[in-house]
Amino acid sequence: EDQVTQSPEALRLQEGESSSLNCSYTVSGLRGLFWYRQDPGKGPEFLFTLYSAGEEKEKERLKATLTKKESFLHITAPKPEDSATYLCAAPLSGNTPLVFGKGTRLSVIA
Amino acid sequence: DGGITQSPKYLFRKEGQNVTLSCEQNLNHDAMYWYRQDPGQGLRLIYYSQIVNDFQKGDIAEGYSVSREKKESFPLTVTSAQKNPTAFYLCASSVTGIGNTIYFGEGSWLTVV
Repeated sequence: EDQVTQSPEALRLQEGESSSLNCSYTVSGLRGLFWYRQDPGKGPEFLFTLYSAGEEKEKERLKATLTKKESFLHITAPKPEDSATYLCAAPLSGNTPLVFGKGTRLSVIA
Repeated sequence: DGGITQSPKYLFRKEGQNVTLSCEQNLNHDAMYWYRQDPGQGLRLIYYSQIVNDFQKGDIAEGYSVSREKKESFPLTVTSAQKNPTAFYLCASSVTGIGNTIYFGEGSWLTVV
């Protein structure tokens, strides 16, 4: 069954402590892997789209990478303002809209 | 500024009532979507529309209804048949339907009282 799975569910980091969030997918014929950031009580904010294995995209302290089975969101030297829930999503097989993982709730402590 | 506007931000519903959540976009996007988010859960698709006067059910359409009479508007009605409507509702849009980046509104909180 096609699906999108994120791990860990929650991650607590000290300021400056780099780490990675994982998004694994089982989709035949991937047509994009999407990353979003969501602050409490707000709508998700688009970060990146990756389309092919080996592709990488960066934005400030965030870098997203893609392999044939998973995507990573690397956070380098995080700051407290990076605290949020990070969501990944992909359109599954067939002609369907984005399906979202449950997210990783990131807390960065000063 | 271009964007997606959802209203109201907070809504309270009594048992047995229907309520309608508004979603308007001025991005000239063809496709629009409604997702539901429960605490600690991911987003689940309720309905989507790729073109005016046409829409499709998502994974959890039971107890909800939509209309798409205008390109810029996609209202969601939560009917009394939806037994557990308390949730955070998100409207989104994209240039075209599948495989394109979708952009979200700020969300609407619905609480049953």
